[in-house]
Formats: sequence, C-alpha cells, structure tokens
Amino acid sequence: KQEVTQIPAALSVPEGENLVLNCSFTDSAIYNLQWFRQDPGKGLTSLLLIQSSQREQTSGRLNASLDKSSGRSTLYIAASQPGDSATYLCALKDNTDKLIFGTGTRLQVFP
Amino acid sequence: EPEVTQTPSHQVTQMGQEVILRCVPISNHLYFYWYRQILGQKVEFLVSFYNNEISEKSEIFDDQFSVERPDGSNFTLKIRSTKLEDSAMYFCASKQRTGGEEQYFGPGTRLTVT
Repeated sequence: KQEVTQIPAALSVPEGENLVLNCSFTDSAIYNLQWFRQDPGKGLTSLLLIQSSQREQTSGRLNASLDKSSGRSTLYIAASQPGDSATYLCALKDNTDKLIFGTGTRLQVFP
Repeated sequence: EPEVTQTPSHQVTQMGQEVILRCVPISNHLYFYWYRQILGQKVEFLVSFYNNEISEKSEIFDDQFSVERPDGSNFTLKIRSTKLEDSAMYFCASKQRTGGEEQYFGPGTRLTVT
C-alpha cells in the first residue's frame, strides 16, 4: 500500500530564506505528483504537477523535483515571503485515478 | 479563470440527518471526485465518477454515501444518515480527461455533525 510522508511536519523561517520541503513515497510506480498549498480552513490550490517522466517543474519562485527511483520529491521555495505561510501538501497518482495525499508541512515565514 | 465551486461553504446538521453537498466542476471537465479531510488529518479519497457512474471508491464510501450528476453542471455527494465522525471538510475536484492531468479542487464544504 502506497504511503506518502512529508518532512518536516512544521517549519518556521525568517523572510528571505530559501527552503526545501520533502515528500517521500514507498512505491515508485506513480503516474504523477502534485504539490498543493492549503491556507487554514481553505481549499487546495495546485502549485505544480510533475509527470512521472519529468525530473522537475518550475513556476516562479517554486521548483519541484521528482526522483521516482528513490521515492522522493522536493519543493524548493526561493526567497520566502510571509505570504508563503500555509500548509504544503504533496499528492501522487498511481495507476488508479485517485490522489494519495501526504501528511503536509506547515510553513510559517516571519518578517 | 474557470474554477470548481462548492456550496454551502459550511453545513451544520444533526446526527442521523441527510445532507447533500453540491459542486459545480469546471465546465469542460469529464472526471469528478470527492475527497474529505478530517480536522488535523490527511486528505482522503472518497470516490471518482466518470460517464455517469462511479469508477472507483474507497472503503470510507459505504452505503451511506452516494454521488450523482443530476444535470449537466452539478455533482453532488449525499450522506444519508450522518454520524459524528462524518464531520470533516469535503472537497470536490474535477479533471478534464483521463491520464496524468491535473485535478482542480474546489474551496470545500465544512460539514459539522452535532
């Protein structure tokens, strides 16, 4: 059974730092991996989607990488801002049509 | 930009009552999903729906749950007799076509069962 884990569970950094969020999965047979942002009590905003054949995707200050063989994905946030404070979720799609979500990393960026 | 919408944003109901959660997926999308997130826990898959039938469901999606696409725009989740443990945020999602396409999520409905 696929298990998705995110480390760290929580992170607090000063504004301007570059940071890396980690997502690990136990079964490398994935179709794609999606990173989401969730603000408290709110919905899920899709940030990046990486297909299984890709190594990385970039959007603005965000860069996501995927290493299927080692069962890992990372989300890199450059020059963090207080507005980046949220919970970040990774979710992967296997050979079924559902997304399997990770445990999330709660990020706080302070001024 | 097209988006998935959900109503109501918050629903409070008494245990044993029926609730219907409503979603309007993005208009040219063909695949529809419900997920839920109990407070402090992971987002969990409930059901996927395509071509007017359920394509996959999780263990959570028992006989108390049903889904329907009553017209060309709405996608609903019905819980027949709510339990306290059904209290959660329910998210609707949609996708344009099969394969590795991105799922787009709605803002969620917070269901509180008292």
